[in-house]
Parts: sequence; C-alpha cells; structure tokens
Amino acid sequence: DSGVTQTPKHLITATGQRVTLRCSPRSGDLSVYWYQQSLDQGLQFLIQYYNGEERAKGNILERFSAQQFPDLHSELNLSSLELGDSALYFCASSQDRAQHFGDGTRLSIL
Amino acid sequence: GQQLNQSPQSMFIQEGEDVSMNCTSSSIFNTWLWYKQDPGEGPVLLIALYKAGELTSNGRLTAQFGITRKDSFLNISASIPSDVGIYFCAGRDSGAGSYQLTFGKGTKLSVIP
Repeated sequence: DSGVTQTPKHLITATGQRVTLRCSPRSGDLSVYWYQQSLDQGLQFLIQYYNGEERAKGNILERFSAQQFPDLHSELNLSSLELGDSALYFCASSQDRAQHFGDGTRLSIL
Repeated sequence: GQQLNQSPQSMFIQEGEDVSMNCTSSSIFNTWLWYKQDPGEGPVLLIALYKAGELTSNGRLTAQFGITRKDSFLNISASIPSDVGIYFCAGRDSGAGSYQLTFGKGTKLSVIP
C-alpha cells in the first residue's frame, strides 16, 4: 500500500460529460502529480501541485484542470469528454524526488 | 521533449534466471527511478537513484545510475513467478524547479515456472 488513495476506482460516462477524480496524498507529502496512462502513450505527466500551488504543467489539455486544497488532497477535473480520454489516471505524491503512486482511476467513455 | 528508450519491450525467461533491462535518455537526468506495475494497480517504486554511478540494491533487485547520467539499468537475480509484471524506468530533470517524471514505455516480464 503506497498510502496514496484515489477515488473512484472506475468511472464510466458518456462523451461531452464532465467528471472529477480525487486523490489523497501520503501523510506529510506536499506535492501531488497527475498522470494519464493509455496503451499507446504510456505514462504521461499532466500537472503538479505543491502545497496548494501549481508547480508544473505537462501535456494537459485545456479541457482538463486540477487543484490542490488546503488539506492537500487534489482533484482532477475532466470536461467535454471525448472517446480518446478513456485511460487510467494516476495520482502520485512525494516529499522528495521519489514519487509514490495510487492505484488509479479507470475512466471509460462510451 | 525528453525521450526515454527502454529495452527490451518484453522478455520471457525461465524461473531462476537473471534479468537485465535498461533505459537511455536523450538528456541528462538527476534522478532515476524504477517501478513495477501489476495489472489493475498503480506503479510501485522499487529503487530510487540520485547520483551518477550510484549502485543500489533492494533484495534481488539491483539498479545503477549511469556515469553519463543518461542511462540506468535494472537487474533481477534468480527470478520467481511473482516477478511477472511491467517494469518502468523514470527519470527526472530538475530544470525549472519541476519534479515531473518522464517514463519509459516499460518492459513486460513473463516468468516461466
């Protein structure tokens, strides 16, 4: 158990809809990272937050946004969903350079 | 952007054999991490490397941070069936204060009992 909790585990929705994925980092970790994992692209970095502030952005679409709350949990919001957004979404947290991953949310767009 | 080449893509080995996989980068990293991912689960950190030349072990696993800072390898000795899974290397470039990781495409390991 990495100590990183993600909910929900599975999400099935339709094109055009909006969803929110939630992540609770390990106790004491100030940094939260979001990644997308698809079969053809592997693990792709989306965005990083540190203590409530956005720290780095990767290949995150404009339809996607995230935030980190004062209690350090984070949410990833995905809107105007398209079929190609179907993927595993992982959250990771860290205190130093090593990142620890949750078990992910599997998003399926019908 | 940064690219990581991880090889081999897949391996089939007999139980008890040793395994070696590696990653090379187009740019310099200051951290190399190795993860294992089982189906339906998130990547689990196996070994973290922070200095060029560093050699670190975790049980039957050994990994090294290449001297050029552009490569790393992972060895698994005396493989067992539970070693089956996908192994990922990941590197971190500290430029611009970001801690984002770049991942290799993974090595899928199958162990034949």
